[in-house]
Amino acid sequence: AQTVTQSQPEMSVQEAETVTLSCTYDTSESDYYLFWYKQPPSRQMILVIRQEAYKQQNATENRFSVNFQKAAKSFSLKISDSQLGDAAMYFCAYRIDTGANSKLTFGKGITLSVRP
Amino acid sequence: AAGVIQSPRHLIKEKRETATLKCYPIPRHDTVYWYQQGPGQDPQFLISFYEKMQSDKGSIPDRFSAQQFSDYHSELNMSSLELGDSALYFCASSLPTGSSTDTQYFGPGTRLTVL
Repeated sequence: AQTVTQSQPEMSVQEAETVTLSCTYDTSESDYYLFWYKQPPSRQMILVIRQEAYKQQNATENRFSVNFQKAAKSFSLKISDSQLGDAAMYFCAYRIDTGANSKLTFGKGITLSVRP
Repeated sequence: AAGVIQSPRHLIKEKRETATLKCYPIPRHDTVYWYQQGPGQDPQFLISFYEKMQSDKGSIPDRFSAQQFSDYHSELNMSSLELGDSALYFCASSLPTGSSTDTQYFGPGTRLTVL
């Protein structure tokens, strides 16, 4: 079974600074997708970024970028120029790349706080 | 842009009652997923549908059932509710897997409280 591990339960960052959230996963598959979802206090699940395993280039979305190390099965999220609105729970998620089994498997999440 | 709609947003039930949660996917999305998120927990996959057929099943209790209708909306039916069913229930929708944009987009969730 695939597992996703987020070993840091909490992190804190100063506003305007950079922070990196860690995620590792375990899979025997070669084709899969990885995601970071943000869950603010409203509890809405918001997609932050997506990475296809077959792509060597790391995904970026504005201030958000990932460091995808396929051999090490590592998928970290870097948030640059942190803003107060970035404070939320962040979940790393994995999805296999087959037709029927497209469910997301989530890590336990990490709570990010942003200090003004 | 249109998002996933879930209703009701909040629901309070007594033990042993039944509940029905509804999900309206983003237009043109024909795949629906249901997840359960307990307090302080990560979301857990329950069940999914593609083109009105069940496509995958996770840790969904036998007391729960779900279906996807001809207009692609989905309903999660929960019977004999237990205290442990209190959770946030998310619906997510996507285009078919393999599409260039098959990312799952989540609705706001239905918060179920069982007393």
